[in-house]
Amino acid sequence: GESVGLHLPTLSVQEGDNSIINCAYSNSASDYFIWYKQESGKGPQFIIDIRSNMDKRQGQRVTVLLNKTVKHLSLQIAATQPGDSAVYFCAEMGHSGTYKYIFGTGTRLKVLA
Amino acid sequence: SAVISQKPSRDICQRGTSLTIQCQVDSQVTMMFWYRQQPGQSLTLIATANQGSEATYESGFVIDKFPISRPNLTFSTLTVSNMSPEDSSIYLCSVVGLAWGEQYFGPGTRLTVT
Repeated sequence: GESVGLHLPTLSVQEGDNSIINCAYSNSASDYFIWYKQESGKGPQFIIDIRSNMDKRQGQRVTVLLNKTVKHLSLQIAATQPGDSAVYFCAEMGHSGTYKYIFGTGTRLKVLA
Repeated sequence: SAVISQKPSRDICQRGTSLTIQCQVDSQVTMMFWYRQQPGQSLTLIATANQGSEATYESGFVIDKFPISRPNLTFSTLTVSNMSPEDSSIYLCSVVGLAWGEQYFGPGTRLTVT
């Protein structure tokens, strides 16, 4: 079936370094993807999105890359800060137009001082 | 975007009882959803809350266990019925507005069933 999964359950990064969080998806027909950040005790927070007609999108300190050939999505965080410590989820809109999202398993990012 | 609130933020309930969770959005939105997030896990879609009609449930979720109402475009409720400890989870409301397309989440309701 359709699924979205992450390669690394936990990622530890030194403060100031760049972080890369990866995600694989299985539905080649998916055309919209979102990265979420979830801090402890809070709901997922929208970070950045990308549509399938793009391969890169940049925000403030974050960049999302989409490789449709290998069905791979990544989130890059520049100059990682302690406040970036959280669990990150990728979400895939499985069927265009339904607005139903399939979530990956999540990666915990730990920023080391 | 939208500002979403949920009530209660957390609750501890006894098995066999029911809890109704409220979700309020500050603007009219087309799509509202309910998710469950079990401890240490990802999010699983329970159902789509349809305004003025029965909710659309995902596989593994049924109306008798998770009745949902959506009387208007800004409000929805999810009831967790006849609770058991396995229902201990975070329950999240989310919205999508067709004008903006992205999905936003409420803060969640942390439910513990003893």
